[in-house]
Amino acid sequence: QLVLTQSPSASASLGASVKLTCTLSSAYSSNAISWLQQQPEKGPRFLMKVNNDGSHIKGDGIPDRFSGSSSGTERYLTISSLHSEDEADYYCQTWGTGVQWVFGGGTKLTVL
Amino acid sequence: EVQLLESGGGFIQPGGSLRLSCVASGFTFSSYAMSWVRLAPGKGLEWVSAISAGGHNTYYADSVKGRFTISRDNSKNTVYLQMNSLRAEDTAIYYCAKEVPVDVSFDYWGQGTLVTVSS
Repeated sequence: QLVLTQSPSASASLGASVKLTCTLSSAYSSNAISWLQQQPEKGPRFLMKVNNDGSHIKGDGIPDRFSGSSSGTERYLTISSLHSEDEADYYCQTWGTGVQWVFGGGTKLTVL
Repeated sequence: EVQLLESGGGFIQPGGSLRLSCVASGFTFSSYAMSWVRLAPGKGLEWVSAISAGGHNTYYADSVKGRFTISRDNSKNTVYLQMNSLRAEDTAIYYCAKEVPVDVSFDYWGQGTLVTVSS
């Protein structure tokens, strides 16, 4: 079964860095995933696609402060030099045959 | 600039029907598959339905299969979601999203339209 697992919450200080994790179920360890940002009262925003080799392709206008990486079944989103507007919910997403699109439960990032 | 604008949400009683619309601009609409995704209160994103670029292939989440119908009118750059037999658990913000071809990603999303199902 295709499942994406995310920690419900994370926090970091203004100007610091944070690394969010999305874990794929083991049978889907080669899947690429996408990271989405959802700020309060807004629609989701595509940040990047992260491949299983760690390469990533960003969406339009996504700052260099956002980067992606990968290790085994884990896919990461690192945000450096945190800004207040980075406080948002972050979701990972992937696709599987028969199940179509699956989302992780989301991580609520608090910028202290 | 790619824009997706949803409309059609509202307050509806259980068992009722609503039709959502999403008007697209800024890209060649007829070349891209589209999806609907929802965000229920206190929950995470849930994919609802998808339609191929030409409209011939449709897909549904098990939670809505048999009740919801996705369609599109490429001459109007619009994708629709007909929602019948609505339940309280369908209460959510509904977003339309543009798919990246042969990829896992949705690269553009709308602002959403709120559907509230309650007696």
